[in-house]
Amino acid sequence: EIVMTQSPATLSVSPGERATLSCRASQSVSSNLAWYQQKAGQAPRLLIYGASTRATGIPARFSGSGSGTEFTLTIGSLQSEDFAVYYCQQYSNWPLTFGGGTKVEIK
Amino acid sequence: QVQLVESGGGVVQPGGSLILSCAGPGFAFSSYGMHWVRQAPGKGLEWVAFIRHDGSIKYYADSVKGRFTISRDNSRNTVYLQMNSLRGEETAVYYCAKDPVDYFRYFDLWGRGTLVTVSS
Repeated sequence: EIVMTQSPATLSVSPGERATLSCRASQSVSSNLAWYQQKAGQAPRLLIYGASTRATGIPARFSGSGSGTEFTLTIGSLQSEDFAVYYCQQYSNWPLTFGGGTKVEIK
Repeated sequence: QVQLVESGGGVVQPGGSLILSCAGPGFAFSSYGMHWVRQAPGKGLEWVAFIRHDGSIKYYADSVKGRFTISRDNSRNTVYLQMNSLRGEETAVYYCAKDPVDYFRYFDLWGRGTLVTVSS
């Protein structure tokens, strides 16, 4: 099983600032990496797939990068609606696995 | 409207069984792979099971293999999760999620989830 590790667990950011979230895979997943946003009491929403392709309707301030074992999600200028928990997920191998999540909170 | 709607959650005793359903109106349901993903209270996401568009291929997390069964009825635009021998640690919100094609293995549409509580 591929283990996904996200850091930090919590990120405190002021509105308008940039946020950088990290995700590491225990072995290479190539570019088979997705990012999701989950707000309290809601289902997750797909943000990024293929490590760097934004899903339909996702604002350009969200960007993904990386390949192999190291990945980054960057939120360019945090808006109030961006404070949430973010998960990475690898889809290179079965079983599909998620990282533990990064909570982005208001500083 | 493209959406997924889960049902069937509730309270069940340890060792008991439950069947979850997920209806997918508003899109060509029979063309897409479908998944179940769960989330224990206050915890992260855990993938549970996958079924290919025609039901020909199924995959399970090791933690549920042999106890859970995923199936689908494309005539009813519905995917199911039969859960047997349930354990307390399987208390969670269970989401169904759509694969973007058939076998891409990530999730581009999620339902709102249904809560399963395993407790005596």
